[in-house]
Amino acid sequence: LAKTTQPISMDSYEGQEVNITCSHNNIATNDYITWYQQFPSQGPRFIIQGYKTKVTNEVASLFIPADRKSSTLSLPRVSLSDTAVYYCLVRDDKIIFGKGTRLHILP
Amino acid sequence: SQTIHQWPATLVQPVGSPLSLECTVEGTSNPNLYWYRQAAGRGLQLLFYSIGIDQISSEVPQNLSASRPQDRQFILSSKKLLLSDSGFYLCAWSLTLASNTEAFFGQGTRLTVV
Repeated sequence: LAKTTQPISMDSYEGQEVNITCSHNNIATNDYITWYQQFPSQGPRFIIQGYKTKVTNEVASLFIPADRKSSTLSLPRVSLSDTAVYYCLVRDDKIIFGKGTRLHILP
Repeated sequence: SQTIHQWPATLVQPVGSPLSLECTVEGTSNPNLYWYRQAAGRGLQLLFYSIGIDQISSEVPQNLSASRPQDRQFILSSKKLLLSDSGFYLCAWSLTLASNTEAFFGQGTRLTVV
C-alpha cells in the first residue's frame, strides 16, 4: 500500500499559485518526501524532494512541517501546461505510488 | 549519463497471444528495476521489482512474469494475454533503495489486447 494520501483532483486557473497537500502520517525517521509529475502517456518525472522545512527549485517549492506527517507542494503561477497528475511519494525499496492528484488548470 | 529504453511504444495483441516487453538501462551498473502498469485513468500499479540479476519480486498475482537475464535488462512477459492486460506499461530504475533516491521512467508501452 502507498504510504501517502492526497486529494483526488484539483482545479485552478492560469497565473494562480497551487498548493497540493499530502498526508504521510506513518513516515519513518529516514524517509524523504518526493513529488513526481505525470503527463498523459508519459512516465512520471521527478519534481522536488525534501526531508524537512522548505525546499525550493526552479519548478516548485516543498513545505514540510516539523512533525513531517504532511507536506505541501507549491506551484507558483501555474500555466495550462501544468495540467498533470502529481504524486507524493514516500518510498522504500518497492516505490509504490498512490493515486495522485489530478490537477486541471483552466484558462 | 544514464538512459532508459523501453520498447515497443505501442502494441496491439490478440487475446491468448504471448507478450514480451523489454527495458534496458544504460550508463549505470546494478540498477534497481521496476515494472508498472497503468490502466486508463488510474494510478501506477507496481507489478515487479528487481534488485539484481535473477532477484525479482512480484507484487500482484497475475497473468504476467518478469525476468532479468542481464544486469541492465528487464523483461515483462505473458504466455497468454487477457483483455484485462491492456494498459500503459512503464519500466523504471533507481540507483539505490534509499528513500532519497530518484526513480527514472521509460517512455512506456501502450498495450491494447483485442
